[in-house]
Amino acid sequence: DVKVTQSSRYLVKRTGEKVFLECVQDMDHENMFWYRQDPGLGLRLIYFSYDVKMKEKGDIPEGYSVSREKKERFSLILESASTNQTSMYLCASSLTTRPAQHFGDGTRLSIL
Amino acid sequence: QKEVEQNSGPLSVPEGAIASLNCTYSDRGSQSFFWYRQYSGKSPELIMFIYSNGDKEDGRFTAQLNKASQYVSLLIRDSQPSDSATYLCAVTNTGGFKTIFGAGTRLFVKA
Repeated sequence: DVKVTQSSRYLVKRTGEKVFLECVQDMDHENMFWYRQDPGLGLRLIYFSYDVKMKEKGDIPEGYSVSREKKERFSLILESASTNQTSMYLCASSLTTRPAQHFGDGTRLSIL
Repeated sequence: QKEVEQNSGPLSVPEGAIASLNCTYSDRGSQSFFWYRQYSGKSPELIMFIYSNGDKEDGRFTAQLNKASQYVSLLIRDSQPSDSATYLCAVTNTGGFKTIFGAGTRLFVKA
């Protein structure tokens, strides 16, 4: 069965910290995505990657970076966490670039 | 105007009824349309997609697309309490490189 695994379900960090969110998929998919989900705003794409070491900015990349060193792993980095980055973060993978088909369970991140 | 709009709900229907979920979009050149189901505390699950005008049926689900009216809907026949969830509409824009999600409609099916 398809599996997208995010490293943490809940995470609490402090303002200014560098935060790493990890995602691993076992489906050999080329495409991986990072979204954040906020009430009333739906899912918003932060970054996506269509191949190892390749990345594209989504709708809200500011304050974030990503890393894809191996096909199965896609990491989201908050360079200097701020309170407005408190959100649910969802990783996804897909055979195609549109849209994401398989989501992880999400990481609820709180920045204090 | 939001690019993809959905009524936030909640939409409440009795068990066995037809639930009708609606979505409008602003990009007239949009190509592909998707419906996701998201249970509370869970991640979204892709349940339907439609590319052409008209209806597409899959079990109890029917997706309807009207590109002239920039409108896509999801009908759930014989609604069950297990259908209670938030339903997200997603639209891929002109060129097909960007998918925009609506904020979702909460559906509640009363037993």
